[in-house]
Amino acid sequence: AQSVTQLDSQVPVFEEAPVELRCNYSSSVSVYLFWYVQYPNQGLQLLLKYLSGSTLVKGINGFEAEFNKSQTSFHLRKPSVHISDTAEYFCATRTPFSGGYNKLIFGAGTRLAVHP
Amino acid sequence: ETGVTQTPRHLVMGMTNKKSLKCEQHLGHNAMYWYKQSAKKPLELMFVYNFKEQTENNSVPSRFSPECPNSSHLFLHLHTLQPEDSALYLCASSQTRRTSGDGGELFFGEGSRLTVL
Repeated sequence: AQSVTQLDSQVPVFEEAPVELRCNYSSSVSVYLFWYVQYPNQGLQLLLKYLSGSTLVKGINGFEAEFNKSQTSFHLRKPSVHISDTAEYFCATRTPFSGGYNKLIFGAGTRLAVHP
Repeated sequence: ETGVTQTPRHLVMGMTNKKSLKCEQHLGHNAMYWYKQSAKKPLELMFVYNFKEQTENNSVPSRFSPECPNSSHLFLHLHTLQPEDSALYLCASSQTRRTSGDGGELFFGEGSRLTVL
């Protein structure tokens, strides 16, 4: 069965420092991976996605992620964070095509806390 | 209007009450989803509707009853809930995929925060 593991439940970081949020996946079939962000009292917003092609994926708000098949990882990175990046970040994978809808399996989430 | 709208944003109910959560999407999608988000637990997929037909029910207790009258509206009817059902309930929608290589992302509403006393 497909699964996603987010290795850190919390990541504290100072403003303007780089950050990496780690995600590992397990899948025996084609891999589709996503990162979502959830700001306080809001729903989930898509940051970026990997479906195929280039292993380096750029998303919104200056975030990027690299798909690494040999290490089964899809880590999220940002070279310089802002206070406004404080949020919960979710890594997710999609089950194979089944009836046209998208069954996403989510990790437990990583809380990014940016301090001044 | 935002793409996916959920009402109410906050709901407090007793264990004997009956209430409903509403979700409306303005994106022209054909698939709609209910997820449950509890503290310190991964998001749990509850129900999926594709073209108004229920295609997934992940062993959700019968005190949760979904309804999808059309592709734009999704309801979650609640009755005789338990305190452990307190959570953030998220609605999402997506475009129906025609091949496995199509997009795949879900678009979420802001959620309905449910507290069961």
